[in-house]
Amino acid sequence: EVQLVESGGGLVQPGRSLRLSCTASGFTFGDYAMSWVRQAPGKGLEWVGFIRSKAYGGTTEYAASVKGRFTISRDDSKSIAYLQMNSLKTEDTAVYYCTRVCPPNRAFDIWGQGTMVTVSS
Amino acid sequence: EIVLTQSPGTLSLSPGERATLSCRASQSVSSSYLAWYQQKPGQAPRLLIYGASSRATGIPDRFSGSGSGTDFTLTISRLEPEDFAVYYCQQYGSSAWTFGQGTKVEIK
Repeated sequence: EVQLVESGGGLVQPGRSLRLSCTASGFTFGDYAMSWVRQAPGKGLEWVGFIRSKAYGGTTEYAASVKGRFTISRDDSKSIAYLQMNSLKTEDTAVYYCTRVCPPNRAFDIWGQGTMVTVSS
Repeated sequence: EIVLTQSPGTLSLSPGERATLSCRASQSVSSSYLAWYQQKPGQAPRLLIYGASSRATGIPDRFSGSGSGTDFTLTISRLEPEDFAVYYCQQYGSSAWTFGQGTKVEIK
């Protein structure tokens, strides 16, 4: 079964850091770009960033709201994608979803169940 | 950044009725990169439509997508009880994605 499982969410104080993990199974992880999407409580979906597959350089792109604070990385040997979140703000409070990017249409065809991040003092 | 505006914000319909959801882009979007998602309370979103009109695996044929340029539509031909949910459109361009704000389809 194709699956993504996020972990690492929790309560964190403003200004601190948190790292989320996304563990993939059921497909060849290294062949796919991976993306992170978040959803603040009661709000819509917001794209956070993505990482290309190694075949396309493994480079990253980010939304303006997180650029310079968040970093996405991947470990293809473990089938894990990471979202390192630094200098967290209260407005970063959200459910964070890991998604698989489906080539060539760039749709997010597989989603994890999400992990909640609460930034509060 | 391309802004996607969905309308209406809420659609109140009865089971068996037809639902028509609109997604308008602030500038032209490649049809290849326009997708629709369904989200039910407490669940992750699910891909319904990609490439503006292609149904994702396992999606019933009562769901259809159409449109081009700046105007796209998701149609649910006959609403089933499980179709009451929030629907989002999404576009990809210039190595970034944006979502519409969502349309809630609720039971009338």
